[in-house]
Amino acid sequence: AQSVTQLGSHVSVSEGALVLLRCNYSSSVPPYLFWYVQYPNQGLQLLLKYTSAATLVKGINGFEAEFKKSETSFHLTKPSAHMSDAAEYFCAVSDTGRRALTFGSGTRLQVQP
Amino acid sequence: SAVISQKPSRDICQRGTSLTIQCQVDSQVTMMFWYRQQPGQSLTLIATANQGSEATYESGFVIDKFPISRPNLTFSTLTVSNMSPEDSSIYLCSVERANEQFFGPGTRLTVL
Repeated sequence: AQSVTQLGSHVSVSEGALVLLRCNYSSSVPPYLFWYVQYPNQGLQLLLKYTSAATLVKGINGFEAEFKKSETSFHLTKPSAHMSDAAEYFCAVSDTGRRALTFGSGTRLQVQP
Repeated sequence: SAVISQKPSRDICQRGTSLTIQCQVDSQVTMMFWYRQQPGQSLTLIATANQGSEATYESGFVIDKFPISRPNLTFSTLTVSNMSPEDSSIYLCSVERANEQFFGPGTRLTVL
């Protein structure tokens, strides 16, 4: 069975600081991995995805994530936080056998001025 | 990409009643998925709906409570039956295309 663990339900950073949101997964087969963002009272927007191509994946809004098989991790980073990055971030996993997504519990990012 | 619409966008319902949520996709897809997001929580898969076959439900979800229809390759409905306040959630449909899932805007349901 697949599972996703997001460490830290709340992360607070200062504007301009590095953003690091952690995601670890378990999957019995090579996974597809995703990061989604949800702004208040809005739907889910895909930030980036890993589908067994390059291990460093660049997404929208300056975010990127690195797939590390040895660590079973897919952490999300952004070099410099902006106030508009404040939102809920979800890591998710799927595979070719199970097309639906399994989501992590989410991390709420706060950006302090 | 995929453009997905849901109706209604929100509703307030009385306990014991049922609500049917519609999901429309802009082009044909094989699989459609229904998720639930309870207040302050993550998303949980309710069921997978394939056209022409019974929906496949996840553990903890049953057809009597969440009947699903999939009459064609662009449309699906999810009914929340005999509602209780615990059913208050956002219900989202999604489709998979090119190893990527696209989500509808969600239906925000409040049960009084």
